[in-house]
Amino acid sequence: GAVVSQHPSWVICKSGTSVKIECRSLDFQATTMFWYRQFPKQSLMLMATSNEGSKATYEQGVEKDKFLINHASLTLSTLTVTSAHPEDSSFYICSARRGWTNEKLFFGSGTQLSVL
Amino acid sequence: QQQVKQSPQSLIVQKGGISIINCAYENTAFDYFPWYQQFPGKGPALLIAIRPDVSEKKEGRFTISFNKSAKQFSLHIMDSQPGDSATYFCAASKSQGAQKLVFGQGTRLTINP
Repeated sequence: GAVVSQHPSWVICKSGTSVKIECRSLDFQATTMFWYRQFPKQSLMLMATSNEGSKATYEQGVEKDKFLINHASLTLSTLTVTSAHPEDSSFYICSARRGWTNEKLFFGSGTQLSVL
Repeated sequence: QQQVKQSPQSLIVQKGGISIINCAYENTAFDYFPWYQQFPGKGPALLIAIRPDVSEKKEGRFTISFNKSAKQFSLHIMDSQPGDSATYFCAASKSQGAQKLVFGQGTRLTINP
């Protein structure tokens, strides 16, 4: 099956610093990548949708200046949490879609962010 | 109209039993209904999915039952094993185009040995 690599798997940072999370589709070109946030024992909350070469589309209530998304190539998207605060601590998950059908949607393994 | 409601929130089943998780959707335009399995600290993995042109799909011990008129679908896990203990999410979307998956709230399944 298709592989989506997410890195790092966990990160601890100090409040006020920025953290970058990478999402790579290893064996296919991803037309669209999605970023989710998941709190303990809760469902996945879509943060933004990104298409290669264009600006990300953010969901309502998600601060685009806080969560910077770059989709520079068909195999790489990055999420940067800027000026992180303890309330940004969460599990972040990316997914990548091959083509235009959700039947070819694959998830990364997630990144646990802890902000001290 | 975009919601997918999932129940129960948690479920405990004895080893060898049948686990059943239910979902209901509102948007009749949805035509793709996947189930994902998520282990702690990991991303979701596709378990099985169904399109509305069939009422049931079976893959090994996992079966999706689909009721288009009721706008409901369910996951059945036969001969449940301790290794099946995980959180399960149903989801729905249109299959084509730049459509977002809408996730259910999740079910924490525990299989007791």
